[in-house]
Amino acid sequence: EAGVAQSPRYKIIEKRQSVAFWCNPISGHATLYWYQQILGQGPKLLIQFQNNGVVDDSQLPKDRFSAERLKGVDSTLKIQPAKLEDSAVYLCASSATPLAPGTDTQYFGPGTRLTVL
Amino acid sequence: SQQGEEDPQALSIQEGENATMNCSYKTSINNLQWYRQNSGRGLVHLILIRSNEREKHSGRLRVTLDTSKKSSSLLITASRAADTASYFCATGPRLGNKLVFGAGTILRVKS
Repeated sequence: EAGVAQSPRYKIIEKRQSVAFWCNPISGHATLYWYQQILGQGPKLLIQFQNNGVVDDSQLPKDRFSAERLKGVDSTLKIQPAKLEDSAVYLCASSATPLAPGTDTQYFGPGTRLTVL
Repeated sequence: SQQGEEDPQALSIQEGENATMNCSYKTSINNLQWYRQNSGRGLVHLILIRSNEREKHSGRLRVTLDTSKKSSSLLITASRAADTASYFCATGPRLGNKLVFGAGTILRVKS
């Protein structure tokens, strides 16, 4: 079974530029998550999709971050404009069972390491 | 905000020794999960323990959960150099599936 795919793996941009990340979840997984992991910290959930609908985006900085999951499969996360504090690893994860507490295992992609100069 | 806090922040042991990492959390949970992250990689799910369970085993891993103390521990027995990684606990809420991760413990196993 193929895992969660993310691209690019690394990205370096200047502040105020825009950047987009792509995620392809495990086939058939209904739920998709984007996390931000700052160096030395654990991942922080930015947004959760169930199929193509948003379940939780309470920690997404909506003035600069946006995400979509058209057709309920692939997803893109965009930052526009980027700030220095956005430097982090952006992790995508997916799970098979939507909104099933205690039974869900999340499968993570390798992440995209973003450096904002 | 991060719910779980791991202790210690870093741990260095010799191959063959046991490694114990602890996690404390603040609110009521449905489950607690442990993940491993190798350098430059994504997270890998290790084990899930539900709030009504006290202990769970998986291979060389042993997880305990004490809901009265809001704490969990992860024991890795007979450690190997390949166990070198960061280990995160993550709490699952009673409603929904929003995991909240701690800051992690960096484990280094010296051969």
